Parts: sequence; structure tokens; C-alpha cells
Amino acid sequence: GENVEQHPSTLSVQEGDSAVIKCTYSDSASNYFPWYKQELGKGPQLIIDIRSNVGEKKDQRIAVTLNKTAKHFSLHITETQPEDSAVYFCAASRGSSYKLIFGSGTRLLVRP
Amino acid sequence: GAGVSQSPSNKVTEKGKDVELRCDPISGHTALYWYRQSLGQGLEFLIYFQGNSAPDKSGLPSDRFSAERTGGSVSTLTIQRTQQEDSAVYLCASSLGLDGYTFGSGTRLTVV
Repeated sequence: GENVEQHPSTLSVQEGDSAVIKCTYSDSASNYFPWYKQELGKGPQLIIDIRSNVGEKKDQRIAVTLNKTAKHFSLHITETQPEDSAVYFCAASRGSSYKLIFGSGTRLLVRP
Repeated sequence: GAGVSQSPSNKVTEKGKDVELRCDPISGHTALYWYRQSLGQGLEFLIYFQGNSAPDKSGLPSDRFSAERTGGSVSTLTIQRTQQEDSAVYLCASSLGLDGYTFGSGTRLTVV
């Protein structure tokens, strides 16, 4: 079945630096790749997503890139701020199913 | 409502008892999902409902777990004869098509 691997599991950066989180997926039929941010005690919140017909998508300080050939996608956060500290999850799904398979999460700490 | 509502937010139960967890999705969302998140872990898919189609139950860990969705809206996840390993946060999400999930805040289940 589909498997999504995510790394690193923890990431600590200085405020203002960039952070990059990477995911790989196993199912070549996957075509939808969202990223979620989860703060303590809350449910995950969608922050950005990308579909397989697009290589890159940007929204202010966050961007996602997709390499279909290599079956990996990445989240890039620039000019990090302390409020970016949270757990980030990547996920993947096929178009024929709305079921998302999630990575294991990355705990991001932005040091002031 | 404006978001996905889950109740109760916290539940402590004795080993061997049955529990019911409730999810009220966003009005009009056709798809509803249940995930489980153990402490510090990723999101484990349990079950999903899409319109009037038969639910995808492929993630349910044992026959002690069941879920139903009445009238295409509210869903209940039932765990019978709870075990300590069932302790986790149970997250519900809903979506309209492939636009990405909206998660509730979860029910934290503790089996003592």
C-alpha cells in the first residue's frame, strides 16, 4: 500500500533562517500532496497543497516543490518566526480516493 | 457549523468498557474521516465515508472498532472492550472533494 516517509523528525533553526522538510511517497499514482501544521492540543491545519500537474507552489513565506520522477516533495519555510514552531505533516493521496496517507511528522523549533 | 466539532474533548474510561466518540463535520462536506494519533506519532488512518458509498474500513485495527455515519452527516466511532493500547487522540476530518481536509480538535482517549 501507499507509504509516505518524512524527514527530519525534528528540526531546530534560528529565527530568520529557512527550514526545509522532505517527504517521499511510494505510490506513483499519487497526485495530491498537502502539508499540515499541528499546534499543541489542536488538530492539524492545512497550510499549503500541490497537485501533480504543478512543480512548485508558493504562498508568502511557504512553498512546496514536487518531483514526480523521484517521488518526493518538500516544504520550504523562509524567514522563520517563533510562531512557526509546530509539528508539520506531509501527506499524499490518489485522485481516485480522498484518503490521505500521512508522514510521521517533523517537529520544528524556531529559536528566537 | 464553522468547523469540525468533536465530542467529548477528553474521555477517561476503564479497561473493558465501550466508548463512543462523536464527530460533527462541516455542513455540506461529503467526505468524513477518522484518524488516530498516538502520543508523539503520526496520523494513522482508520476509516472514511464518502457520500452514499460503502465506507473504506481498511484502517480499523481490530473488530472492536466500528463507525457509522447517519444521514450523511454526524459520525460516531465506537470502541468496544477498550484496551490500554487504544489510548490516543482520535481525530475526525471532513472535506468537499479533494480540497483538503478540515480537522477537528480531536478526542483524547485515556484507558486506565
